[in-house]
Amino acid sequence: ETGVTQSPTHLIKTRGQQVTLRCSSQSGHNTVSWYQQALGQGPQFIFQYYREEENGRGNFPPRFSGLQFPNYSSELNVNALELDDSALYLCASSLQGVVEAFFGQGTRLTVV
Amino acid sequence: AQSVTQPDIHITVSEGASLELRCNYSYGATPYLFWYVQSPGQGLQLLLKYFSGDTLVQGIKGFEAEFKRSQSSFNLRKPSVHWSDAAEYFCAVGARNNAGNMLTFGGGTRLMVKP
Repeated sequence: ETGVTQSPTHLIKTRGQQVTLRCSSQSGHNTVSWYQQALGQGPQFIFQYYREEENGRGNFPPRFSGLQFPNYSSELNVNALELDDSALYLCASSLQGVVEAFFGQGTRLTVV
Repeated sequence: AQSVTQPDIHITVSEGASLELRCNYSYGATPYLFWYVQSPGQGLQLLLKYFSGDTLVQGIKGFEAEFKRSQSSFNLRKPSVHWSDAAEYFCAVGARNNAGNMLTFGGGTRLMVKP
């Protein structure tokens, strides 16, 4: 059974740039969620994708967007990066209708 | 709206001592409750979960948690802490609704273990 994998593990971007983070869900899971974890805080829900459509969104602006592909993998895109976007971005996969989620190792984004 | 409070930001215990990490939640219906552990720079590993039934749940690595509806609490316990337990611990409440399966996390408790 393959777990949740994320890429890249680390990256540094400049304020105003755009970034794409990638996630492969655990085998058999059809739902992907993204979370932002700022330093010293708990993860915060960004959004969730099911059947290639956004299926719920937290309190994040539209410059945070995503995609889900037919193989259930997902991308998180952030436009017009701000310094406060520096965080660990976590991807979690699950089955639709099941609350339990399994997390990847995360992507550490630093905006300078 | 659901919320989770972890009152203790840092806890230090001696190796071999018992441990209790506190978690209080706010949720309108029967909650789905979780404890996750995070080592520095790593993702979240699920320790245990409560959905229904027996209010005392067993997890991995010797951890257990007790759901107390009257106190809106889901405290994590371990009878004897090992140095490898040093990490950050997060309590979370899950909602299953039309918006999908969203988890709301507490701010975390950092556990330090003294030799």
